[in-house]
Amino acid sequence: DVKVTQSSRYLVKRTGEKVFLECVQDMDHENMFWYRQDPGLGLRLIYFSYDVKMKEKGDIPEGYSVSREKKERFSLILESASTNQTSMYLCASSPGLAGVEQFFGPGTRLTVL
Amino acid sequence: SQQGEEDPQALSIQEGENATMNCSYKTSINNLQWYRQNSGRGLVHLILIRSNEREKHSGRLRVTLDTSKKSSSLLITASRAADTASYFCATISGSRLTFGEGTQLTVNP
Repeated sequence: DVKVTQSSRYLVKRTGEKVFLECVQDMDHENMFWYRQDPGLGLRLIYFSYDVKMKEKGDIPEGYSVSREKKERFSLILESASTNQTSMYLCASSPGLAGVEQFFGPGTRLTVL
Repeated sequence: SQQGEEDPQALSIQEGENATMNCSYKTSINNLQWYRQNSGRGLVHLILIRSNEREKHSGRLRVTLDTSKKSSSLLITASRAADTASYFCATISGSRLTFGEGTQLTVNP
């Protein structure tokens, strides 16, 4: 079974802090994705990566950066957390083929105070 | 623009009844996927239907696709309380998925 794990289920941070959200997948998938999910807005793509050290902006990259130093790990970084980044963050991975299903982690609920 | 808009936003039914959720999208697609999300959890892939398919079945799930109307529907037959979840359709562009806002299904025992 594909397994996508996220470093924390719940996280509380203060405004201005640097926040790291980690995602690891164990199925040698080429593609990895970070989404945020907010009520009334659905899932929105923040960043994705097709390969190690490669990243592409999604629909809402502002205020975020990512790092993919190893194939299995994709990190989302909030350089200076703000209250409007309070959200559920979901990581996903998929094989390097177009149009296939994505496998999701359990999510990290981040609260920025 | 939003790809994949589900309706209704919320649906409440009794156990044993069928649940139908609809999805509309705006641009051409290669395939369309449906996902399920239990409260506070990640999404789980349910079924994928390709643009050249009109209907697909998987267990109690039936998905239809009408590319001329740019719409899809997900039917869950003989619903169970455990089917209570949010259901999302997603359209594909390359490897990127674009999700709708989802339908919250509540199945009452």
